[in-house]
Amino acid sequence: DAKTTQPPSMDCAEGRAANLPCNHSTISGNEYVYWYRQIHSQGPQYIIHGLKNNETNEMASLIITEDRKSSTLILPHATLRDTAVYYCIVSPNTGNQFYFGTGTSLTVIP
Amino acid sequence: DSGVTQTPKHLITATGQRVTLRCSPRSGDLSVYWYQQSLDQGLQFLIQYYNGEERAKGNILERFSAQQFPDLHSELNLSSLELGDSALYFCASSVGHGGRGEKLFFGSGTQLSVL
Repeated sequence: DAKTTQPPSMDCAEGRAANLPCNHSTISGNEYVYWYRQIHSQGPQYIIHGLKNNETNEMASLIITEDRKSSTLILPHATLRDTAVYYCIVSPNTGNQFYFGTGTSLTVIP
Repeated sequence: DSGVTQTPKHLITATGQRVTLRCSPRSGDLSVYWYQQSLDQGLQFLIQYYNGEERAKGNILERFSAQQFPDLHSELNLSSLELGDSALYFCASSVGHGGRGEKLFFGSGTQLSVL
């Protein structure tokens, strides 16, 4: 399974865009990139996913580089409620047994 | 609300005991996944069931077992409990067995404390 590398922590000012990077240099051609977040000890929450193209939904945007070796999750206007651990996951082509790494702890500062 | 229901929310028990955690997937979802989250190990995939059959196995101990019933709810059985089994246990569900960009939806978890 492709591994991901994320910075352990980041800060972002409230109202500004939060850009969370992820490296996945060993990703295979048919593997998706997923982003989940976990607020305190709640269950992980789905944010967005993509294969090759950039994606946008009501929560965030996902930018995937052309070589697919890295991606960036963008929260356009961060709020205090976006403070959480963000996980970048590459899905195995055999199924959905997501392997969570250590993620990035994002703190949104007032 | 993800639509995935886990019971109980909290469970306190003693070493050597056996407990059962229950999960009801979202309506229409056929796959159920179990994850364990402890402070030192992070979120660890344990096992997946699809439509009643075991689909994939992760870092699940032999003392742990799971099953998925005909109504698609799942139970995770933990036996001969040790202090190190204290953790948050999450259940997730998805429509199919995966591999096609499916999303996993997680429940709110069961906090197990082994004293």
